[in-house]
Amino acid sequence: DGGITQSPKYLFRKEGQNVTLSCEQNLNHDAMYWYRQDPGQGLRLIYYSQIVNDFQKGDIAEGYSVSREKKESFPLTVTSAQKNPTAFYLCASSTLGQVLSNQPQHFGDGTRLSIL
Amino acid sequence: DQQVKQNSPSLSVQEGRISILNCDYTNSMFDYFLWYKKYPAEGPTFLISISSIKDKNEDGRFTVFLNKSAKHLSLHIVPSQPGDSAVYFCAARLGGQFYFGTGTSLTVIP
Repeated sequence: DGGITQSPKYLFRKEGQNVTLSCEQNLNHDAMYWYRQDPGQGLRLIYYSQIVNDFQKGDIAEGYSVSREKKESFPLTVTSAQKNPTAFYLCASSTLGQVLSNQPQHFGDGTRLSIL
Repeated sequence: DQQVKQNSPSLSVQEGRISILNCDYTNSMFDYFLWYKKYPAEGPTFLISISSIKDKNEDGRFTVFLNKSAKHLSLHIVPSQPGDSAVYFCAARLGGQFYFGTGTSLTVIP
């Protein structure tokens, strides 16, 4: 059963602590994305990756880091430099196909991060 | 600066009637547009999409219209059902990135 798995569903962080959110997909998608959703706002792009070992910053990358060592995995680390980390984090993936074919993104069920 | 906007935060419709959700965008270089449906504490689910070279795409009860001159996208749901109650996001693609609106919360009243 193909899909995107995000874990954990809920995560709590202490002040000054780094935390890592997991995202795994078995859809054989090339591209993976991390978004942040805050109340009353749309999804804002943090980082995205179109190929293994390569990734690009999105609109709000400050205070976050990512890695893409495997096609299936795109973990997001929320560092202590992120001053307002409380949010709902969504991971997505998509195919790229031939020069960006028209394929939608598929999303995981999200991780809600809160500060203790 | 928000490149994709959904100006109506909420919409209520009677069951069986038409729901029309609207979306405006500013960048004429967007080449692909999508609508997603989202329930609380879940990820968005893809609903329907349209390429920038088309002006209409239909899938069952869902139809998406694209007016490039007005930079306007709309989603029509006919007939609306209580199970359609959710938050709907429009999105637009440019290069490898997708840009999302702020969402419209649709309530279908039985």
